[in-house]
This record gives sequence, C-alpha cells and structure tokens, in this order.
Amino acid sequence: NAGVMQNPRHLVRRRGQEARLRCSPMKGHSHVYWYRQLPEEGLKFMVYLQKENIIDESGMPKERFSAEFPKEGPSILRIQQVVRGDSAAYFCASSSLVAYEQYFGPGTRLTVT
Amino acid sequence: GQQVMQIPQYQHVQEGEDFTTYCNSSTTLSNIQWYKQRPGGHPVFLIQLVKSGEVKKQKRLTFQFGEAKKNSSLHITATQTTDVGTYFCAGETAGANSKLTFGKGITLSVRP
Repeated sequence: NAGVMQNPRHLVRRRGQEARLRCSPMKGHSHVYWYRQLPEEGLKFMVYLQKENIIDESGMPKERFSAEFPKEGPSILRIQQVVRGDSAAYFCASSSLVAYEQYFGPGTRLTVT
Repeated sequence: GQQVMQIPQYQHVQEGEDFTTYCNSSTTLSNIQWYKQRPGGHPVFLIQLVKSGEVKKQKRLTFQFGEAKKNSSLHITATQTTDVGTYFCAGETAGANSKLTFGKGITLSVRP
C-alpha cells in the first residue's frame, strides 16, 4: 500500500517562474492538506481539500498561490511568479476522515534562485 | 485563532536521561495528535488522544491528555539516540471545518 507521494522531491525555480507541486494521497484517502515548513519552523497549514472542493484555504496567501484536487489525478499546489521567500519545504498529507491522523508525503523542497 | 504552543523549541539530553515536553492550546481540543520528524524527513504520526485525562504508552514513550483537554505531555523514558528528531503536537477543535493546528515543535538532541 503506497504511502503519500509527492513530486518532485526537489524543485529549483528562478524568480518569476511558476512552481507546480504534486501530491497523490494514500489509496482510499479523500482529504488532502498542504503545509509549508521553513527551516527550524513548525508546519504552517495552507489549504485543505476534498475531491474537487477547497474546504479551507485560510492559510494560503491570497495572491500567487492556488490549489486543486481534481476528480482524477493528484492534488496540485501552484505558485505563480515565485519569489525568494517562497523557498521552503512543502508537505502534503492525507487522511481518510477529517479528524483522523494525517499521513505525510516526503515533501517537495522548493528553492527559488 | 487557535494557538498551539510548544516551549522550549530545543532540548538536549544525555543518553539514558528521561525527557518530558508539553503542549498547550489556547482553546479546548477535541483531540490532540503527536508527530515525529527525523532530520531531513517528514512528519510521522505517533498517537492520537481523544478523552480527557487519557494516557497512552508506546514502548518508552508516554502520552497524556490533560483533564481540561487544553494541554498534553510526551514523556520519553531513558532516551536513546534513535529518539533524536522534532516532536510536534497538533490540536484539533470541534467544528464543521476543523483542522489540525500544529505547534512549532521541540527538537530533541541526545548526547551519546
């Protein structure tokens, strides 16, 4: 039973480019969460999605960031016109129900040069 | 908004010593979860506590949920070098759009 998969594991983008991060939840999980982690910082909630719906995006910046979880395929976190401050580890997690434990993917380390 | 606090952020112990850390919430929680993240790794779920005063053990790790469901503790008996990592607590409040709020974590280092 494959765990949560994220790709790419490492992503380098120049300022102004777009970054697209993918997350495939565990089989049978319909709840997906995205978190951002800066060095020596905790996990900051960004967005919570169920299939085709954004449930809570209160932690996501209003501009340049968007997320989707289509009926088919992985969840995508998109960052447009990246800036140096976007450099961080982005983790995706999934759960079978909203109050249940979350299983994390290996993360995508984004570096903006 | 809800805040989950873990202080201090770092702790260093000698191998074999016991270690205790605490997690405090500004609001009453429906449940609290603990995760461990090894250096360079990703958070891994350890345990979930739901009932007031609940105590759960995993080998040398003991987790407790406070009576008021606003705080929790993690105790490690006789630390080992394999215990190194960052331990996060995450609290969830009841409600239609409940989500986990993570503390900043405590990074434990163990001197052999």
